[in-house]
Amino acid sequence: DVKVTQSSRYLVKRTGEKVFLECVQDMDHENMFWYRQDPGLGLRLIYFSYDVKMKEKGDIPEGYSVSREKKERFSLILESASTNQTSMYLCASRDLTTYEQYFGPGTRLTVT
Amino acid sequence: QKEVEQNSGPLSVPEGAIASLNCTYSDRGSQSFFWYRQYSGKSPELIMFIYSNGDKEDGRFTAQLNKASQYVSLLIRDSQPSDSATYLCAVSSNYQLIWGAGTKLIIKP
Repeated sequence: DVKVTQSSRYLVKRTGEKVFLECVQDMDHENMFWYRQDPGLGLRLIYFSYDVKMKEKGDIPEGYSVSREKKERFSLILESASTNQTSMYLCASRDLTTYEQYFGPGTRLTVT
Repeated sequence: QKEVEQNSGPLSVPEGAIASLNCTYSDRGSQSFFWYRQYSGKSPELIMFIYSNGDKEDGRFTAQLNKASQYVSLLIRDSQPSDSATYLCAVSSNYQLIWGAGTKLIIKP
């Protein structure tokens, strides 16, 4: 059974803080993704990683960076948190044989 | 810009009836199509995927794909209150998934 875990379910940070969101998967998937989800906007891709140390920008990378030092772990970094980054953040890993994406439980981030 | 379109709803269906959810996509090269269900406050979970034209059935769920019309649908038979959720359509494109904004489905007892 695929398991994707995220470091926090809820997080409250102040404007200007550096924020780290961690994601770990246990299925040896090469591909991992970070999305944010806002009401009415659906899932928007922030960054994805094809493999260790590889990363690609998604549709909305501004204000974010990522790190993938190990295959199982993909981190999202908000360099200087702003109120417009208040959102639900979802991590996913992908099975390359089916293209199915498996999601973590999500982190609801509030920036005040 | 490759797009996936869904009616945002809410779609209200009586318990026991058939719920029909629709999705259109713009990338003719798409090969894989997915339906995810998302309960409020939870993350999306896969219901079905379909690769070939036609119907694919799994229990009360049927996915229908028409590549010529660039249209994919999900039918839920014998709808239950527990089916009330947002349903997300996702379409593969260049090794990524393009997501629709989702249709909110409400099953009325």
